[in-house]
Amino acid sequence: DAGVTQSPTHLIKTRGQQVTLRCSPKSGHDTVSWYQQALGQGPQFIFQYYEEEERQRGNFPDRFSGHQFPNYSSELNVNALLLGDSALYLCASSLGQLNQPQHFGDGTRLSIL
Amino acid sequence: GESVGLHLPTLSVQEGDNSIINCAYSNSASDYFIWYKQESGKGPQFIIDIRSNMDKRQGQRVTVLLNKTVKHLSLQIAATQPGDSAVYFCAENNAQGAQKLVFGQGTRLTINP
Repeated sequence: DAGVTQSPTHLIKTRGQQVTLRCSPKSGHDTVSWYQQALGQGPQFIFQYYEEEERQRGNFPDRFSGHQFPNYSSELNVNALLLGDSALYLCASSLGQLNQPQHFGDGTRLSIL
Repeated sequence: GESVGLHLPTLSVQEGDNSIINCAYSNSASDYFIWYKQESGKGPQFIIDIRSNMDKRQGQRVTVLLNKTVKHLSLQIAATQPGDSAVYFCAENNAQGAQKLVFGQGTRLTINP
């Protein structure tokens, strides 16, 4: 039973560029959430997708956008990259009902030069 | 605002001893809590969850206690093993009809041989 998979594992970009990160949820899960984790900090919620729509959003600017596909996989897009966007980006999947555990992938380490 | 914090940033215990990791939360409306374990280079791994209508839940070698009166959560790990060394996060889910997890900064648990 495959868990949550993310790609790529590492990525290096320069300021001003755009990036797309990808996530495949755990088998049977229909909800995908994205988190940003700075070094030494806990993950911070970016947004959540359910039924191909953004259901909830955290305190992140519009430069952060996402998409969910009919097969429940998801993408996170970040435009106009800033140095402060350097972080580990985590994807978590869950069932759509409330209060279901979210299961995380191992993340994409994004470095901005 | 919402916040989840931890009393101790680091905890060191002897192998075979029990460990207790504490967590305070501020949103009294939160109705679901999860403990995660994160090893270096990996994403958070689900350990155990508890809903607000419970005050205790047990898993394999782990117990979570919830005290809603003082908004406190703890994770007890019995008979610690070297593989328990990791950063532990508590996370709360707000009760606003969403699955937005709010994480604390984490506690680093080190198991001494």
